[in-house]
Amino acid sequence: EAGVAQSPRYKIIEKRQSVAFWCNPISGHATLYWYQQILGQGPKLLIQFQNNGVVDDSQLPKDRFSAERLKGVDSTLKIQPAKLEDSAVYLCASSERGSTDTQYFGPGTRLTVL
Amino acid sequence: GNSVTQMEGPVTLSEEAFLTINCTYTATGYPSLFWYVQYPGEGLQLLLKATKADDKGSNKGFEATYRKETTSFHLEKGSVQVSDSAVYFCALKGSWGKLQFGAGTQVVVTP
Repeated sequence: EAGVAQSPRYKIIEKRQSVAFWCNPISGHATLYWYQQILGQGPKLLIQFQNNGVVDDSQLPKDRFSAERLKGVDSTLKIQPAKLEDSAVYLCASSERGSTDTQYFGPGTRLTVL
Repeated sequence: GNSVTQMEGPVTLSEEAFLTINCTYTATGYPSLFWYVQYPGEGLQLLLKATKADDKGSNKGFEATYRKETTSFHLEKGSVQVSDSAVYFCALKGSWGKLQFGAGTQVVVTP
């Protein structure tokens, strides 16, 4: 069974530029999560989708971050414009039904903002 | 609110040594507790979990017991290998289903 796929694996941009990350969850998984992992910290949930609807985006900085999962399968997370403090690893995870199920994580995208 | 505190790393051990990583939590209600492991260049993987008090989770020689009286979920392994070198995250899932992670503990095992 293929795992959670993410691309790109690495991205370097300058502040005020925009960037987008892509995630393809495990086939058939209804719930998709985006986490931000700042160096030296644990992952922090940014947004959770159930199919193509948002369940929780309480910690998403909505002035610059946006995410979509239009067809309830793959998802894109965008940052526009990026700030230095956005440098982090962005992790995507999926679970079969809901948040009570085990979450499976992708390898992450390491973003560096200069 | 809920929170997870785990010991700072790095923890450096020799092969076949005993490993303990301390984890304590603060939560309302009865959370489920987890240990995740992140090997270099890979995503987080679930290592073990416990869903109620006194449950013991175990996998790959690792164990952790859910201690409600001390609000702890310490991770242990009796004899580590070089391949256990990774970052270990303690996490809890509260009643709303949101995973909350500790800061992670890097473990380095030397031959």
